[in-house]
Amino acid sequence: AQSVTQLDSQVPVFEEAPVELRCNYSSSVSVYLFWYVQYPNQGLQLLLKYLSGSTLVESINGFEAEFNKSQTSFHLRKPSVHISDTAEYFCAVSISNFGNEKLTFGTGTRLTIIP
Amino acid sequence: EAGVVQSPRYKIIEKKQPVAFWCNPISGHNTLYWYRQNLGQGPELLIRYENEEAVDDSQLPKDRFSAERLKGVDSTLKIQPAELGDSAVYLCASSSGPGELFFGEGSRLTVL
Repeated sequence: AQSVTQLDSQVPVFEEAPVELRCNYSSSVSVYLFWYVQYPNQGLQLLLKYLSGSTLVESINGFEAEFNKSQTSFHLRKPSVHISDTAEYFCAVSISNFGNEKLTFGTGTRLTIIP
Repeated sequence: EAGVVQSPRYKIIEKKQPVAFWCNPISGHNTLYWYRQNLGQGPELLIRYENEEAVDDSQLPKDRFSAERLKGVDSTLKIQPAELGDSAVYLCASSSGPGELFFGEGSRLTVL
């Protein structure tokens, strides 16, 4: 079975500073990888995903993540954060043969932006 | 386009009482999921439907939880009787293919 580890439960960052949220996964087969974001009092939203092709994927609001197969990682980065990025971020993995059927989430990282 | 709609948003009940949650997925999405999210944890799958068929309910505590998806559209998740440990946010999601789940805002259950 696959699993996801998000080592940082909380990450405080000053506004306009860079940030990296770490995600490591475990799976014996090929995977799809996702980052979901949950803004305060809202539902989970897909931020970005890796299914195949380029290992570097980007979101529309400046986040990017790189699939590193050798490190089994899918870390999320942003070069300059804004107050509006305050949210909880969840990494998720599924077995590529099954798509969404076996989507496993990490425990989440709460990103707090300090003005 | 309307998103996934869930109700109620909040529910407070006493233990041993029944409770039900309702979900209306995005139109045209054949796959529907119920997840449970405990405080400080990521969502955990309870049950997945393909149209009206429950294709994965291995994580659903069947002694007290039940779910249905009549006509392959709306779905209801029921707990009877509720226990203190059932306090959590119950999330409904739908999808039309691999790569993205669309989540509702969730139903927060507090069992006293």
